[in-house]
Amino acid sequence: EPEVTQTPSHQVTQMGQEVILRCVPISNHLYFYWYRQILGQKVEFLVSFYNNEISEKSEIFDDQFSVERPDGSNFTLKIRSTKLEDSAMYFCASSGQVEQYFGPGTRLTVT
Amino acid sequence: KNEVEQSPQNLTAQEGEFITINCSYSVGISALHWLQQHPGGGIVSLFMLSSGKKKHGRLIATINIQEKHSSLHITASHPRDSAVYICAVLPNTDKLIFGTGTRLQVFP
Repeated sequence: EPEVTQTPSHQVTQMGQEVILRCVPISNHLYFYWYRQILGQKVEFLVSFYNNEISEKSEIFDDQFSVERPDGSNFTLKIRSTKLEDSAMYFCASSGQVEQYFGPGTRLTVT
Repeated sequence: KNEVEQSPQNLTAQEGEFITINCSYSVGISALHWLQQHPGGGIVSLFMLSSGKKKHGRLIATINIQEKHSSLHITASHPRDSAVYICAVLPNTDKLIFGTGTRLQVFP
């Protein structure tokens, strides 16, 4: 059964460093999403992406964040200058129409 | 006020018990997801529904659009059902709005 994959599973970085989180969505899906879950809190929407552009973003998704689909299969989330409060689990999801399928997540730890 | 409320927040059960987790929401939606999150953190989609009832194995999900309420039932619960169950709604936009989750522990 097709699934969404994410790499790395765990990323440790120092404050101020750039990180790129990678996702491979299900191959025939057209809609892509990033979500974040800070430890002990609920999952929050970050951004949705369709037709090579952002379709919606939350107030969390500020200028430090960017997304792209560099090669037609990967979908990446870049954080330019990480802060301690960016430490969280980041989930990628994709959908063909409505139902979203989630990846296993990347745990980002900023020290 | 949260747009998606779940109850209870925590639930313990003995193996074999029938379990119900509730979700109420305050916005108009096109669909509702029930998700399962295991201790490792990964999220698995259990159901997506926009009306009526769906069943998959021992899991049953129902939704009442007029009352803005959904329930997830687990019949004959088992310790491997122990996880956090999350309700997430899809308003008429792209973004899912998540509840805070219900932590379920099933003891043998």
